[in-house]
Amino acid sequence: AQKITQTQPGMFVQEKEAVTLDCTYDTSDQSYGLFWYKQPSSGEMIFLIYQGSYDEQNATEGRYSLNFQKARKSANLVISASQLGDSAMYFCAMRRKGKAAGNKLTFGGGTRVLVKP
Amino acid sequence: NAGVTQTPKFRVLKTGQSMTLLCAQDMNHEYMYWYRQDPGMGLRLIHYSVGEGTTAKGEVPDGYNVSRLKKQNFLLGLESAAPSQTSVYFCASSYFAGATNQPQHFGDGTRLSIL
Repeated sequence: AQKITQTQPGMFVQEKEAVTLDCTYDTSDQSYGLFWYKQPSSGEMIFLIYQGSYDEQNATEGRYSLNFQKARKSANLVISASQLGDSAMYFCAMRRKGKAAGNKLTFGGGTRVLVKP
Repeated sequence: NAGVTQTPKFRVLKTGQSMTLLCAQDMNHEYMYWYRQDPGMGLRLIHYSVGEGTTAKGEVPDGYNVSRLKKQNFLLGLESAAPSQTSVYFCASSYFAGATNQPQHFGDGTRLSIL
């Protein structure tokens, strides 16, 4: 069974600084996908970034980048130049590939980020 | 730009009552999902569907039933609500398995309280 671990329940970060959110995963699959979602206080789930297990380069999307270390089974999210609007819960999730897996996501417990002005 | 729409947004039930949560998506997605999110926790999969007329159990299916009679709709039912089912419920949808980098798209959630 897949398991996602986010060891940081909460973090403070100074505005304009970078922050790294940890995510480790456990799977015996060779092919899988990793996702990060943001959940602001309003409650919606916002997709941020995706990394495939066979992708050779780390994914980047604007101020978001993913530090993917396959051998260590970690997929840490880096948010550069933090903004007040980045204050939210952040969830790491993993998806097994293949139709039989139903594209199901397994979520970690989340990390709450509070950006200080 | 409706995406995934959940109704209702809020509901309070008494123990033993029944209700149905409706999820509708307009993106022609094959797959649909129901999750629950308890305070301070991540999302846990209740049931999912890989196509019209099909459903399957997720991680925490007990006490819930689902139906997917139309491709665009996925219904979650509570036959006899219990206080342990107080939670925020999210519906999501995604493309079929071939589009592996496509994310699940989420609705805004339904906040359900069982008294």
